[in-house]
Amino acid sequence: SQELEQSPQSLIVQEGKNLTINCTSSKTLYGLYWYKQKYGEGLIFLMMLQKGGEEKSHEKITAKLDEKKQQSSLHITASQPSHAGIYLCGAEQGAQKLVFGQGTRLTINP
Amino acid sequence: GAGVSQSPSNKVTEKGKDVELRCDPISGHTALYWYRQSLGQGLEFLIYFQGNSAPDKSGLPSDRFSAERTGGSVSTLTIQRTQQEDSAVYLCASRPTGSSNQPQHFGDGTRLSIL
Repeated sequence: SQELEQSPQSLIVQEGKNLTINCTSSKTLYGLYWYKQKYGEGLIFLMMLQKGGEEKSHEKITAKLDEKKQQSSLHITASQPSHAGIYLCGAEQGAQKLVFGQGTRLTINP
Repeated sequence: GAGVSQSPSNKVTEKGKDVELRCDPISGHTALYWYRQSLGQGLEFLIYFQGNSAPDKSGLPSDRFSAERTGGSVSTLTIQRTQQEDSAVYLCASRPTGSSNQPQHFGDGTRLSIL
């Protein structure tokens, strides 16, 4: 079965700094999703990537899928307290279900 | 509704009791999913519905777990004879069709605690 490994597991950055979270798959990715979760809340959809080399941006967040479709990165520019939370990458496995990485806990220090 | 709605938001019950968790998906979404999120296990798939049928139940951990969906809308996840290891956050998601071109939209979850 497909496994996703996220790094780092936790990250503490100063407000205003840039950061990158990585997601590496044991198999080719045919649909890679990034979600954000705050404590006690559900997952908020951020971005979906499907094509090798694809890159998408929304506000200060950019996600990329490498050409070989086995690794994705999430980059946040000029981080803000509102970016704090747990970031999860998820991949389509089989026809329907998503398999998720263990998550990266992001803390933003003022 | 505007988003996926789950109830209750929190549930505390004694070991051995049965519990029912409810999910109301986004209107018009034919695909519905249940996941479980627990410490040490991360987020795990439980079951997938397309309409009222469940083509994939492979993630249900034991026969104490069951789920149904009626009218192509609301779904109920039932756990019988609850055990302490059932304590987790149960998340529901839906999407317009079974197509992988659409993201799954998640509810806020039900936090289940077994005493």
